Amino acid sequence: RKEVEQDPGPFNVPEGATVAFNCTYSNSASQSFFWYRQDCRKEPKLLMSVYSSGNEDGRFTAQLNRASQYISLLIRDSKLSDSATYLCAVPTGGGNKLTFGTGTQLKVEL
Amino acid sequence: NAGVMQNPRHLVRRRGQEARLRCSPMKGHSHVYWYRQLPEEGLKFMVYLQKENIIDESGMPKERFSAEFPKEGPSILRIQQVVRGDSAAYFCASSPPGQGEDEAFFGQGTRLTVV
Repeated sequence: RKEVEQDPGPFNVPEGATVAFNCTYSNSASQSFFWYRQDCRKEPKLLMSVYSSGNEDGRFTAQLNRASQYISLLIRDSKLSDSATYLCAVPTGGGNKLTFGTGTQLKVEL
Repeated sequence: NAGVMQNPRHLVRRRGQEARLRCSPMKGHSHVYWYRQLPEEGLKFMVYLQKENIIDESGMPKERFSAEFPKEGPSILRIQQVVRGDSAAYFCASSPPGQGEDEAFFGQGTRLTVV
C-alpha cells in the first residue's frame, strides 16, 4: 500500500456542485494531515490542516476517519476558481517531512 | 513577514553544468525541506535540513545532488553535472522549530530546464 494515495481524477463538475475527494494513508500513527491546492504547477498552498476529527472553513470541510485511515475534502457550491489540483499530505518521519499524494485534479465548468 | 523565498525562479543549464538553487525560509522558521516535482508527477521529498545539519536526506539521489543550510544565509540545493532528467520544479518549504507536525509553507519554486 502506498504511503499516501489519491484518485488522480480529473473530476469534472458543474459550477455550484458539491464534490468530495478521498485520500488514504498507510501510517496509522500519523497525527496531522494537510490539504494543499496547486494551480498550474505553481507552489502548493496550504488549504486546510486536520489534527483531530475534522476542520471546516467556509465552503471547505475536511474530515478524518482514523479507523479506515483516510481523510476527505468536501467542497460545497463549487466555483470556477476552485479548478486546481488538490494534494493530500501526511507528515512521515522527523520534523515536518511530508509525503504527498499524486493529487486530484478538479475542473469546475459552467 | 515575507514568505519562503526561492531564487532563481527559472534556471536554464546545459548538460554537464552545475545548478545552484537557493531558499530563504520564513522568518522564525529553522527547518527547511526540498521537494522535486517532475513533469506530470507529484511532489517528492528530497532532503530535510536544520541550521548546519542535514536531518534526513533519504530522498536525495546518491550522486550529483547535495544540500546545505549554513548558519548564515539561505539553504542551497546543488546539482552537479546536470542531465536532462534533472529538469523539474524544485520547491523549498519551511516550518517553525519544534518536534510537532506543523504546517509547512512553500516557496514559489525554481524551474530548472536542462538543455
